[in-house]
Amino acid sequence: DADVTQTPRNRITKTGKRIMLECSQTKGHDRMYWYRQDPGLGLRLIYYSFDVKDINKGEISDGYSVSRQAQAKFSLSLESAIPNQTALYFCATSDVSAPNEQFFGPGTRLTVL
Amino acid sequence: AQTVTQSQPEMSVQEAETVTLSCTYDTSESDYYLFWYKQPPSRQMILVIRQEAYKQQNATENRFSVNFQKAAKSFSLKISDSQLGDAAMYFCAYRTLGGGATNKLIFGTGTLLAVQP
Repeated sequence: DADVTQTPRNRITKTGKRIMLECSQTKGHDRMYWYRQDPGLGLRLIYYSFDVKDINKGEISDGYSVSRQAQAKFSLSLESAIPNQTALYFCATSDVSAPNEQFFGPGTRLTVL
Repeated sequence: AQTVTQSQPEMSVQEAETVTLSCTYDTSESDYYLFWYKQPPSRQMILVIRQEAYKQQNATENRFSVNFQKAAKSFSLKISDSQLGDAAMYFCAYRTLGGGATNKLIFGTGTLLAVQP
């Protein structure tokens, strides 16, 4: 079984819709991250969380919000989706004792029409 | 702010040959980590190799090795005996080492590697 899972794997939605991407991990890591990947731009950090009570904005947080429901769950929401949020979204985790390795989920491909 | 540059959008190599992917970075810090991630068509991000900046010895993982030139801020990846399964997008990434750091990874734009049979 995968250690970091993301649901859904693919999603097509319409402009203005609210959508939630979910991430779960069984690695027992305390740190979780959401990245966005666009062609030609690499991955960019949206939000990160060091524990359940800690949420921090990354470099491109506008238009997104997150919720850390439990140590193992970190959700990313688009309150009102727009076409330029079409991208591949990755969740990642790391452990405070070994912060230098991040483990990535399989990604969610989101298309906003 | 730190930046990571991969100047080769695409590369190609013959099976069993050696290929080197380039990465340069800009930082004012003295301690940090550098990584190479592989992203095959499955989209999964897979850590290939890691280098601590305070270590002079270049990291090696089986057929993968790096040439870390700290003064030049260069971090290239060498793949020896290339295999068809090495075909993927490769990302170079940087992470701050210091306390209170975000642990966020700063990624380059990637190099798409094709392996020809």
